[in-house]
Amino acid sequence: NAGVTQTPKFRILKIGQSMTLQCAQDMNHNYMYWYRQDPGMGLKLIYYSVGAGITDKGEVPNGYNVSRSTTEDFPLRLELAAPSQTSVYFCASSSAGGQDTQYFGPGTRLTVL
Amino acid sequence: LAKTTQPISMDSYEGQEVNITCSHNNIATNDYITWYQQFPSQGPRFIIQGYKTKVTNEVASLFIPADRKSSTLSLPRVSLSDTAVYYCLVGDESGGFKTIFGAGTRLFVKA
Repeated sequence: NAGVTQTPKFRILKIGQSMTLQCAQDMNHNYMYWYRQDPGMGLKLIYYSVGAGITDKGEVPNGYNVSRSTTEDFPLRLELAAPSQTSVYFCASSSAGGQDTQYFGPGTRLTVL
Repeated sequence: LAKTTQPISMDSYEGQEVNITCSHNNIATNDYITWYQQFPSQGPRFIIQGYKTKVTNEVASLFIPADRKSSTLSLPRVSLSDTAVYYCLVGDESGGFKTIFGAGTRLFVKA
């Protein structure tokens, strides 16, 4: 099993550009999450999904969109990138919600200039 | 909103036992306490989880007093490779599927 994979590993965007961060898991997990982590800070939940076709906002959803058309994939879309979105983005998945163990991907480091 | 309070940072030396305490005064009856470890440039990974008393695995021990308002992660005989950020989590207020990570505790192990 590859676990949770994320692409790309690094990306530099110009202000106003758009991009999609890809996340895939091969563990047949129902729950998937997107977090961002600013330098020296903890993780903040952007969006999460409890199954295909079902998504909900986390703590910091503004400026992002998600979709979940399959169990495996949970892409994160940035529209009109801003410098405040410079961060490391982590995708995670879990079999169940609540207290169930989350498995994290390696992260995508995004810089917006 | 973060529900846990941890020290921002701790220093230790190789071979020592490290105890990191987390305060969670508003823990709900059904909440578990979960600890994650994050190395630089990596995503967090699960270390240990418990509900009450003591839990031990090959990596750490978790001590939870009867009132469950705090918990202590114990790392025996740390090495340089244990330098990481440690996060304490309890269930979200909604009882749902959202997990709130605080700032964590930065542990620095020195030779």
